[in-house]
Amino acid sequence: NAGVMQNPRHLVRRRGQEARLRCSPMKGHSHVYWYRQLPEEGLKFMVYLQKENIIDESGMPKERFSAEFPKEGPSILRIQQVVRGDSAAYFCASSPDRGRGLTFGPGTRLTVT
Amino acid sequence: AQKVTQAQTEISVVEKEDVTLDCVYETRDTTYYLFWYKQPPSGELVFLIRRNSFDEQNEISGRYSWNFQKSTSSFNFTITASQVVDSAVYFCALSGQGGSEKLVFGKGMKLTVNP
Repeated sequence: NAGVMQNPRHLVRRRGQEARLRCSPMKGHSHVYWYRQLPEEGLKFMVYLQKENIIDESGMPKERFSAEFPKEGPSILRIQQVVRGDSAAYFCASSPDRGRGLTFGPGTRLTVT
Repeated sequence: AQKVTQAQTEISVVEKEDVTLDCVYETRDTTYYLFWYKQPPSGELVFLIRRNSFDEQNEISGRYSWNFQKSTSSFNFTITASQVVDSAVYFCALSGQGGSEKLVFGKGMKLTVNP
């Protein structure tokens, strides 16, 4: 029973490029959460999605960031026109339902050069 | 607003010493959850414990123990007889009513256990 899968594990982008981070939740989990960990910081909530719906995006930066969780396929966190300040570890977590706790993926480490 | 404070940023101990990691939280919710996670040098997040705000019993799991004190809004974590493999960053986190998934994390505390 595979856990939460994230890919790529490491991603390097030049300033101005786009970054796409993928998350496949655990089997049977339909709730996906994205968190960002800036260097030397704790994790900060970004967005909560269910299949085809964004439930809570209160932690998402207003510009350049978007997230989706389509009916088929993984959840995608997309960062357009990346800047150096986007360099961070991005963690995805999934849950089978609300109140059931989170399982975190291994994270994607984004480096913007 | 919810807030988690881990006042210690870094602790270094020698193997077999006991170490306590402090966590103080703020919330207006009457029902909430408290968590501890471990992040080893490899970077993944390892879940350690989840505690409901109504359950103030202390918990022990092997060398790990947790002391939840609602009166002081603290949820401290003690490692007894520390080992080198305990070296990691430890995060305390809080979530509020409506679910236990939207977590507010502390800044983390880096523990180094030296042989």
